[in-house]
Amino acid sequence: AQSVTQLGSHVSVSEGALVLLRCNYSSSVPPYLFWYVQYPNQGLQLLLKYTTGATLVKGINGFEAEFKKSETSFHLTKPSAHMSDAAEYFCAVLHYNTGNQFYFGTGTSLTVIP
Amino acid sequence: DVKVTQSSRYLVKRTGEKVFLECVQDMDHENMFWYRQDPGLGLRLIYFSYDVKMKEKGDIPEGYSVSREKKERFSLILESASTNQTSMYLCASTDPPFNEKLFFGSGTQLSVL
Repeated sequence: AQSVTQLGSHVSVSEGALVLLRCNYSSSVPPYLFWYVQYPNQGLQLLLKYTTGATLVKGINGFEAEFKKSETSFHLTKPSAHMSDAAEYFCAVLHYNTGNQFYFGTGTSLTVIP
Repeated sequence: DVKVTQSSRYLVKRTGEKVFLECVQDMDHENMFWYRQDPGLGLRLIYFSYDVKMKEKGDIPEGYSVSREKKERFSLILESASTNQTSMYLCASTDPPFNEKLFFGSGTQLSVL
């Protein structure tokens, strides 16, 4: 079975500080990688994705993530946190050879302190 | 704007009741999914469907069934609700041809008493 690990179920940062949310996956074949965000009382929406090509991908709201095959990681970063970034963040992988199923991490709740 | 609509935002049911959770998408997507979301466990796949009248079990199908009679509608059925099925249920669909982006509904918070 595929596995996605998000280190830290809760992360707190000060407004204006760097945001770093960690994600590691277990797979012998590089998967497609995603970050989704869930704002309170809403469903999930896509933040960014990596499929092929450039390993540094940029998403909405100033977020970016870098695929590092040697570390099997896909950490999410944002240089300067904003109050509106407070949300739940989910890392996910997609393997076409396992039936087009997405596998999600357990989520990281981001709190931004004013 | 694309839309996945779940019929109820909050639902309270009694143990043993039959429960229907409805999901409709207006994007003509072929693939639809039901997940449940629990604190500390993330999203877990219950069932998915690649086409009308087609269904596949996900990772936690026990206690659930699904129905897809029309392309736009995917229903999750709890035949006999139990308290351990209290959870947030999320419906999603993907866009062809590469199915790389999941579109989610806003979720149904189900409480089974």
